[in-house]
Amino acid sequence: NAGVMQNPRHLVRRRGQEARLRCSPMKGHSHVYWYRQLPEEGLKFMVYLQKENIIDESGMPKERFSAEFPKEGPSILRIQQVVRGDSAAYFCASSPPSVHENTIYFGEGSWLTVV
Amino acid sequence: SQQGEEDPQALSIQEGENATMNCSYKTSINNLQWYRQNSGRGLVHLILIRSNEREKHSGRLRVTLDTSKKSSSLLITASRAADTASYFCATLTGTASKLTFGTGTRLQVTL
Repeated sequence: NAGVMQNPRHLVRRRGQEARLRCSPMKGHSHVYWYRQLPEEGLKFMVYLQKENIIDESGMPKERFSAEFPKEGPSILRIQQVVRGDSAAYFCASSPPSVHENTIYFGEGSWLTVV
Repeated sequence: SQQGEEDPQALSIQEGENATMNCSYKTSINNLQWYRQNSGRGLVHLILIRSNEREKHSGRLRVTLDTSKKSSSLLITASRAADTASYFCATLTGTASKLTFGTGTRLQVTL
């Protein structure tokens, strides 16, 4: 059973470019979460999605960041017009619908470097 | 504000010793989970403990939960160099479906 798959693992973007990070949840998982980790810090919640639906985006910056989880295909975290402060590790996690009773599993992360 | 705060922030021990990490949180929880993160890698789930449980074991890991004190501890017995990593607690609260992470404990196990 494949785990949570994220790609790319490493991404370098120049200031002003767009970054797209992809996440395929574990088989049977319908809930996806995105977290951001700055160097030497813990993970900060960004957004929680189900298929075709954003459930909680309270951790998303108001501008330049968007997320989707379409009916078909992976979840996408999109960062427009990147700035140096966006440099971080972005982790995707997935869980079954009954999240309160189950473990949330994380991918290996996508490391974004903005130069 | 942080829901989970780990203590200590950093811990250095010798191989074979036990390592204890503590986590405090502020609000009532549904469950609390411990994760390990090796440098430059993703998070590996270690143990989930529910709010009505007081202790759980998994191999060399022992987790306790004291809801009256809003705290949890992770004990790693007979530590190995391969246990060197950052350890995070994360809580699931109320009707929210998102984990809230602490700042982590960096464990260094030396030979």
